[in-house]
Amino acid sequence: DAKTTQPNSMESNEEEPVHLPCNHSTISGTDYIHWYRQLPSQGPEYVIHGLTSNVNNRMASLAIAEDRKSSTLILHRATLRDAAVYYCILLYSGGGADGLTFGKGTHLIIQP
Amino acid sequence: DAGVTQSPTHLIKTRGQQVTLRCSPKSGHDTVSWYQQALGQGPQFIFQYYEEEERQRGNFPDRFSGHQFPNYSSELNVNALLLGDSALYLCASSLAWNSQTDGYTFGSGTRLTVV
Repeated sequence: DAKTTQPNSMESNEEEPVHLPCNHSTISGTDYIHWYRQLPSQGPEYVIHGLTSNVNNRMASLAIAEDRKSSTLILHRATLRDAAVYYCILLYSGGGADGLTFGKGTHLIIQP
Repeated sequence: DAGVTQSPTHLIKTRGQQVTLRCSPKSGHDTVSWYQQALGQGPQFIFQYYEEEERQRGNFPDRFSGHQFPNYSSELNVNALLLGDSALYLCASSLAWNSQTDGYTFGSGTRLTVV
């Protein structure tokens, strides 16, 4: 399975933008880039995904490098409720449902 | 619209016993996956069920088994419990044909403690 690399932790201030990086240098052309987050005492929650182009939704934006070897999850205006572990995951797009391979993720700390 | 429902929320078992955890998928989903999450770690994929069959399996021993019912709900069974099986067990559901784009919906998990 293609692997991802994320910083162990990051800290940001409330109401400021947050950029969470992810490296995936061995990504294949058929892998989607997915982001999930896990709030304390909850199961993971889908955030956003993309293949080649940048993506926006109500929760976040995903910026994908032109060579697809890295991506950045952008929270435009962090709140205390965004404090969570964020996971960057590659998901094969070839059909069928695949198990997700989670790493240790990035623990995002939001300071008031 | 109810999401993924797991039961029980907490469970304490003795080493060597057997345990069954239950999961009801999100309405409209047909695929159920199970994950084990040890403290401080990311979830680890156990297996996935679709059309009542195990379709994929992670690196877990045969003590871990499962079942999917015609209504898409699922059970995870663990035999001969070890202390190391203590973890949060997560169930995730998806729609097989578009899980790569629509993502997975996770339950809040069952916290299993083996003593």
